Order: sequence, then C-alpha cells, then structure tokens
Amino acid sequence: QKEVEQNSGPLSVPEGAIASLNCTYSDRGSQSFFWYRQYSGKSPELIMFIYSNGDKEDGRFTAQLNKASQYVSLLIRDSQPSDSATYLCAVNDMRFGAGTRLTVKP
Amino acid sequence: DTAVSQTPKYLVTQMGNDKSIKCEQNLGHDTMYWYKQDSKKFLKIMFSYNNKELIINETVPNRFSPKSPDKAHLNLHINSLELGDSAVYFCASSQGHEQYFGPGTRLTVT
Repeated sequence: QKEVEQNSGPLSVPEGAIASLNCTYSDRGSQSFFWYRQYSGKSPELIMFIYSNGDKEDGRFTAQLNKASQYVSLLIRDSQPSDSATYLCAVNDMRFGAGTRLTVKP
Repeated sequence: DTAVSQTPKYLVTQMGNDKSIKCEQNLGHDTMYWYKQDSKKFLKIMFSYNNKELIINETVPNRFSPKSPDKAHLNLHINSLELGDSAVYFCASSQGHEQYFGPGTRLTVT
C-alpha cells in the first residue's frame, strides 16, 4: 500500500517566522511531488511541485526533496496570517497525505 | 471560465437513495479524479480516469460507480446511500504538473 504521511499538526508559528512542513512517502518509485494549500471550506490549490532532489524556490515558498530519505518538505518564509490553512502533500498519482494545519498568529 | 465544475454544490438526501454528481473540465486534461474528504479533512482518492480509461480504483464500496462518457467528463453515481457517505466529494483534473480541483459537492445523508 502506497502511503503518504504528514504530521497532522496543528502547527502554530508567529507572523514573520519560518513554517516548516514535512511529508514522507513509502513508494521509492515516486517521481513527482506536490504541495497544496486548502483554506477552510475551499478546494485544494496547487502551490508547488518538485521533481528533482534539492530545493526549489518560488517567492516565499521553498520545496525540498530528498529521494534517498523519501521525504519532501515545504518551507514558508515570512509567514503571514493569510498563510493559515491546511497544507497537503501529494505524490505521483495524486495520493495525498492527511494534511498539516498551519496557524500563523499575528 | 470555470476550469473544473461540479454539480450539484450541495446534495441532501435520505439513506437508501441513489444520487449522481457530475464533473466537467474545460482544460483539455487527460486525467480526471474523484476524491472524498471526510469530516477529519483527509482527502482520499477514489477513482482516476485517463482518457476515459479507469486507472485507479481504490477500495471503495461497489455502490460507487464512476462513468466517463468522454475525456472532459467524469460522473460519480452512488447507490443505496449510507450515513457514512456524508462528505465533500471533489473532482479534479490533471496534466503533467498541473492539477485543478472542482469546488466540491457537499453530500449530506440523513
């Protein structure tokens, strides 16, 4: 059974801090990895994808992939209250982890 | 233009009834999905179709039957609805690294 694991949280950080979200996966053959944000009552929306080992930066967001250790993480720099949401990790065929709920406190 | 649309947005029905949810995408994507998100917010994949062909069929009751009449449509029919079917059902489509979700259908079974 292919598994995607995330800490359910909640994770709380002060405004301006770095939020770090982690995800591990069981299928070594996984090639593509995605991070989604879901606001309460809304649909998930794609914020980043990563295919290669290393870091990928997009504005305040950085995705980090380590295939040897089978984990992918998302860093949010200068966290804002508007970043408060549930963050979902997905691999390959769009199987999702349980999500991590992030709260950014003003 | 709505990329992925679902109808209806809300569905309230009684146990034992049969209902359908429709999904359409205008993005030209090859792959479409159905997900169930329960009250604990876990987004569980149910089915995936690629060019009208079923490629993922997770362990869901056979009361759930997807149907893809063409690449742009993926419908979900549910027979003999049960209380535990109450959830938000999301349709999604993808192509490469693009994936878009529909607005969701909140199903309440009473």
